[in-house]
Amino acid sequence: GQNIDQPTEMTATEGAIVQINCTYQTSGFNGLFWYQQHAGEAPTFLSYNVLDGLEEKGRFSSFLSRSKGYSYLLLKELQMKDSASYLCAVMDSNYQLIWGAGTKLIIKP
Amino acid sequence: GAVVSQHPSWVICKSGTSVKIECRSLDFQATTMFWYRQFPKQSLMLMATSNEGSKATYEQGVEKDKFLINHASLTLSTLTVTSAHPEDSSFYICSASGDREYNEQFFGPGTRLTVL
Repeated sequence: GQNIDQPTEMTATEGAIVQINCTYQTSGFNGLFWYQQHAGEAPTFLSYNVLDGLEEKGRFSSFLSRSKGYSYLLLKELQMKDSASYLCAVMDSNYQLIWGAGTKLIIKP
Repeated sequence: GAVVSQHPSWVICKSGTSVKIECRSLDFQATTMFWYRQFPKQSLMLMATSNEGSKATYEQGVEKDKFLINHASLTLSTLTVTSAHPEDSSFYICSASGDREYNEQFFGPGTRLTVL
């Protein structure tokens, strides 16, 4: 079966760095997405990785290792507004998105 | 970025009535639209995928006669919840993908449905 695993909840301090991990087992791979979802709102697109390595976008970076079925989202200089759920999703061989359950990130002052 | 709108934002209805939710891609042509449902503190659950001009593909366990999906144009898809019951109360979110670099999905703001 297809499976995406990510931690349920993480806590970090304002100004610090946090890494949210995602491991996956899917039938085929056409890229991995990270989305941010604030409570009561729809998800917004953060990043896309299809090749191994690190993609940096401002305070957010996303890393992929296809051989290990592993990705992480790195958030630097954390701000209170970064408190949200972070969803990892993998596009399989049929171009269907398989979603993780999301990681709730709590930022403390 | 691409903009997807959804209407209404929230709706309260009586049990047994039908509710229609519209999803529009405002600045790009959405060849594929997706409908999700999300219960509180749970992950997104894909209900169905629709391509313009063809019938929607429903996920296992989703009743196609209860959740009617129409994708009549490249910018509009509708979801109709027929004979709604309290257990249908949820957050319904649409997303659209089209001719974009990563084939990512852009999400509408969601519709919160409460069935009394």
